[in-house]
Amino acid sequence: AQSVSQHNHHVILSEAASLELGCNYSYGGTVNLFWYVQYPGQHLQLLLKYFSGDPLVKGIKGFEAEFIKSKFSFNLRKPSVQWSDTAEYFCAVNDVRGTDKLIFGTGTRLQVFP
Amino acid sequence: NAGVMQNPRHLVRRRGQEARLRCSPMKGHSHVYWYRQLPEEGLKFMVYLQKENIIDESGMPKERFSAEFPKEGPSILRIQQVVRGDSAAYFCASSPGTGRRDQLYFGPGTRLTVT
Repeated sequence: AQSVSQHNHHVILSEAASLELGCNYSYGGTVNLFWYVQYPGQHLQLLLKYFSGDPLVKGIKGFEAEFIKSKFSFNLRKPSVQWSDTAEYFCAVNDVRGTDKLIFGTGTRLQVFP
Repeated sequence: NAGVMQNPRHLVRRRGQEARLRCSPMKGHSHVYWYRQLPEEGLKFMVYLQKENIIDESGMPKERFSAEFPKEGPSILRIQQVVRGDSAAYFCASSPGTGRRDQLYFGPGTRLTVT
């Protein structure tokens, strides 16, 4: 069965620090990959996605992620975080041969201090 | 994505009672997904439905849980004879149709507490 691992459960950074959140998945077939974000008190929303093509994907608010097929990874990055990036971040994977359901990781809670 | 509505937002049930969670998808969306988030865990897929049809129920517990999405009205997740372990946040998402997996919009969730 597919699974998604997010090894960083809680990350604390100061503003302007660089961010990298790890995401690894266990499925060997063709996948679609996603990062979702949940700001405090808000709905889960899509940050960025990878379907095919350029493995470096740019999303909203300056976030990007790189798909490395050989490492089964899809790490999220941001060069300089802001206090407003404080949120919970979820990586998700979808098996393109299956249904449209997404399998989520356990999430990473990011706290950014001014 | 405020268009996906879930109610109630908070639900308290005693052990053995039934819980009914409702999800109204965004306008124009015909597919609904239910996820459960237990404390300190990620979102676990439960079931994927389109109107009047269950597409994928591979994440649904075998007993006490059922889901429907009728032709008219919201999708309902029903939990019979609730137990303390059912306490969790239940999230619904909707999409426009098959293959639109990049257009999932989530609702605010229903927090179920079983006492």
